[in-house]
Amino acid sequence: DIQMTQSPSSVSASVGDRVTITCRASQGINNWLAWYQQKPGQAPKLLISAASNLQSGVPSRFSGSGSGTDFTLTISSLQPEDFATYYCQQANSFPHTFGQGTKLEIK
Amino acid sequence: EVQLLESGGGLVQPGGSLRLSCTASGFIFSSYAMSWVRRAPEKGLEWVSTISGGGGNPYYTDSVKGRFTISRDNSKNTLFLQMNSLRAEDTAVYYCARGVIVGSTRGAFDYWGQGTLVTVSS
Repeated sequence: DIQMTQSPSSVSASVGDRVTITCRASQGINNWLAWYQQKPGQAPKLLISAASNLQSGVPSRFSGSGSGTDFTLTISSLQPEDFATYYCQQANSFPHTFGQGTKLEIK
Repeated sequence: EVQLLESGGGLVQPGGSLRLSCTASGFIFSSYAMSWVRRAPEKGLEWVSTISGGGGNPYYTDSVKGRFTISRDNSKNTLFLQMNSLRAEDTAVYYCARGVIVGSTRGAFDYWGQGTLVTVSS
C-alpha cells in the first residue's frame, strides 16, 4: 500500500500569511494527488485534483504542485475562512490512502 | 445540482450489522464510480471502499474486507454499504463521495454527502 505523509500535522498562522503544506507518497503516484479541506461538522471539500487542477469555485489563493512522490498545497494569503483541516489523498492505486491531515489554526 | 444524501447510520452493538444508503441526484449516476470514506472521532479521513459505475470492480480497505460489501442500484441512483460483524473501531461518520473522472475508479472525489454517523457500542 502507498503511505501518504503530510507535514506539518498542525500549523498556526495569521490572516494574510502564506502557508505551505507538504505531502509525500511512499512511491510514485504520477499526479494522482488530491487536496481536501474539512471544517468541523462539514463534509470534506475538494480543492485540487490531479496535483494542480483547481476545482471550480475554489479561490485562486489555493494552488497545488508536484509530481511523482512530493506535493505541496499553498495558500498564498490566508483568509479567516481558510482555518480548517487539510488532507492529501493519492488516487493512483487502491487503497486510495489519505494523509493524516494538517490542522491550520489561527495564531 | 449534484446531491448525495446518506442514511442508515445509528447505534449498533459489536458484532451487529447496518446497511448504509446514499441517494444521488443531479447527474448520470451510472457514469461515475462511487466511494465510501469515513472519519472516526478525533481521527483523519479513511478511504473505505469504491465501486465502478457499472457495479463491478469493488475495492476495499483491508480492515473491512470480508465484513463490508459495497453495491449500487443504478435504476434507483442509490449506493449501499452493507456492514456486518461491526467492531468498535468502525465507529465513524461515513460519507459517500463521487469520483471526479467519468468512467474511472481513479481520481479524486468531487462531491460528498453530509455523512451519517455509525456508533458501535454495547
